[in-house]
Amino acid sequence: EAQVTQNPRYLITVTGKKLTVTCSQNMNHEYMSWYRQDPGLGLRQIYYSMNVEVTDKGDVPEGYKVSRKEKRNFPLILESPSPNQTSLYFCASSPLRVSGANVLTFGAGSRLTVL
Amino acid sequence: GENVEQHPSTLSVQEGDSAVIKCTYSDSASNYFPWYKQELGKRPQLIIDIRSNVGEKKDQRIAVTLNKTAKHFSLHITETQPEDSAVYFCAATSGTSGTYKYIFGTGTRLKVLA
Repeated sequence: EAQVTQNPRYLITVTGKKLTVTCSQNMNHEYMSWYRQDPGLGLRQIYYSMNVEVTDKGDVPEGYKVSRKEKRNFPLILESPSPNQTSLYFCASSPLRVSGANVLTFGAGSRLTVL
Repeated sequence: GENVEQHPSTLSVQEGDSAVIKCTYSDSASNYFPWYKQELGKRPQLIIDIRSNVGEKKDQRIAVTLNKTAKHFSLHITETQPEDSAVYFCAATSGTSGTYKYIFGTGTRLKVLA
């Protein structure tokens, strides 16, 4: 089954304790991205990657890191989490079509609470 | 920077009525405009999309229109049903100089009243 898998689905942590949210896709998609969803703010892009070793900042990259060492994986790293990073996080992937019609497939979401 | 404005933030309609959600984008290079539906506790899923070389697209009860000159695009749902209740997000994308940003609107919570 074609899917985007992210883990963990739920996490409660404390300020300053490094954590990684993993994301993996099995569709051979070039494009992968991370979003955070907060009430009233919609989906805001954190980072995206056009291909292996190619990453770029989205609208809200502060406090986050990413890496793309393999095509299928795109982990989100919070080096020193703070309470304002409490949010629902989605990973998504898509092919990169010449037409520009790149439909995102989303993971199930990871709800992170930072105390 | 680029942004997408979406209105209204909430919308309540009677079952069987129509619903319209409107979005405005700022980046004139945007060339693809998808709409995603997110049911409670679920992930967003594409329901319809339109490319910049098309003015209108329809799929059964849903349709999307695009006005490139005004930088507006809208989602139209006819004959609404309770299962249409969800949060709807518009998005605008553009890829220039090796970048590809996906900008979402802030969402519209649609409630269809039985």
